Amino acid sequence: DTAVSQTPKYLVTQMGNDKSIKCEQNLGHDTMYWYKQDSKKFLKIMFSYNNKELIINETVPNRFSPKSPDKAHLNLHINSLELGDSAVYFCASSPTSGSSYNEQFFGPGTRLTVL
Amino acid sequence: AQSVTQLGSHVSVSEGALVLLRCNYSSSVPPYLFWYVQYPNQGLQLLLKYTSAATLVKGINGFEAEFKKSETSFHLTKPSAHMSDAAEYFCAVRNAGNMLTFGGGTRLMVKP
Repeated sequence: DTAVSQTPKYLVTQMGNDKSIKCEQNLGHDTMYWYKQDSKKFLKIMFSYNNKELIINETVPNRFSPKSPDKAHLNLHINSLELGDSAVYFCASSPTSGSSYNEQFFGPGTRLTVL
Repeated sequence: AQSVTQLGSHVSVSEGALVLLRCNYSSSVPPYLFWYVQYPNQGLQLLLKYTSAATLVKGINGFEAEFKKSETSFHLTKPSAHMSDAAEYFCAVRNAGNMLTFGGGTRLMVKP
């Protein structure tokens, strides 16, 4: 199946730990993103990344860092987890040309719970 | 930066009734606007998009939206609601870096 996939689907961890969420897309897209959805369903962009440029939302703490081993992957690393990091994290990707230009394709989400 | 506002965090309609979900945008340049749907415990799925072509945009599942510059609106409609339309709906605008800024979402409930 062509899609954006994320692992794990659920992640429960203690405050202060460091964790990673993986994202992979097999759509051949050039740009990938991370979004955070809080408990009130509010969605906020965290990062936009392609092989040329990383754009960071200025409100994102520097404990969060995206890492891209190749064009198909954009992993999210979180250091020193805090209670407020509990949320659902969505990965997305988009092409830079073609009929789907401007469309973002979302993964199923990773629900992070910090205890 | 561009932004969108969704009026009404919850909308309830009867099955078969008209669905109207409101979205207003703020933008200093012609906006690219989107509607996404999120079913429970799932990711977001694109319903439709406006990219400065036709002002009436048709999407999947019978939804459509009309871009009205004079009203800075991009409301989502469907003539007849189905039970399967119950979900969270998000309006979004494209910003720099092709990043999306979302509205607060509207939960659509469909009563039998």
